[in-house]
Amino acid sequence: SQQGEEDPQALSIQEGENATMNCSYKTSINNLQWYRQNSGRGLVHLILIRSNEREKHSGRLRVTLDTSKKSSSLLITASRAADTASYFCATALISGAGSYQLTFGKGTKLSVIP
Amino acid sequence: DVKVTQSSRYLVKRTGEKVFLECVQDMDHENMFWYRQDPGLGLRLIYFSYDVKMKEKGDIPEGYSVSREKKERFSLILESASTNQTSMYLCASRLGTEAFFGQGTRLTVV
Repeated sequence: SQQGEEDPQALSIQEGENATMNCSYKTSINNLQWYRQNSGRGLVHLILIRSNEREKHSGRLRVTLDTSKKSSSLLITASRAADTASYFCATALISGAGSYQLTFGKGTKLSVIP
Repeated sequence: DVKVTQSSRYLVKRTGEKVFLECVQDMDHENMFWYRQDPGLGLRLIYFSYDVKMKEKGDIPEGYSVSREKKERFSLILESASTNQTSMYLCASRLGTEAFFGQGTRLTVV
C-alpha cells in the first residue's frame, strides 16, 4: 500500500492564523494532490503538484513537495471559519496503458475557531 | 459541471446479501475509482478502472468485485455482505489532473 499519512490528525486554530498540514507517502509518484472534505460530503480537489515541482500556490494555499523525503505540506494562510473541514493528500501513480492509481491518506481534521 | 452520481445516499442490507453500488459520471472520463472511508483510516482504494472492462485491484479488494461495461458506469459489488463492510463508499472519476467525487453511499450491513 502506498497510502499516505497526514500529520497532525487534528488541528485547531483561531481564525486569521495559518494552518499547516503534512503528508508523507511511501512509493514514487507522478503527482500529489490535496483535497478537502466537508462533513459527510464528497471530496473536492484543491491543488496538484507534479513530482518535478517543489512549490505551488493557489490563492491562500501553498503546497510544497520534497520527493527525496517523500513528503508534502499544505499551508492555508489567513484561515477562516469556512476552512473547517478534513484535508487529504492523494498520490497519483501512472503506469501501463492509462492506468492511474490515486491513493489517499488518512486526513487532517482542521477546526478554525471564529 | 462534472457530475458523479451514486445511486443511493443510504443503504441498509442484511448479512449475506449481494449488494450493488452504482456510480455514473457524465463527462466521458476514462478513470473511475471506488473507495471506502472509515473513521481514523481515511480513504482506502478498493478497485479502479481506466477503461471499459478494465479493472485493477486497489489496496483492499477482498470481498468486493467491480463491473465496468460502459464508460460512464462503474459498479461495486459486495458478493456476500458482511458487517465489517459497513462503511461510507465513495466513487470518483478522473480526466486530466483532478478527480471528481460523488456524495457517497453510507452502507450499513446488519
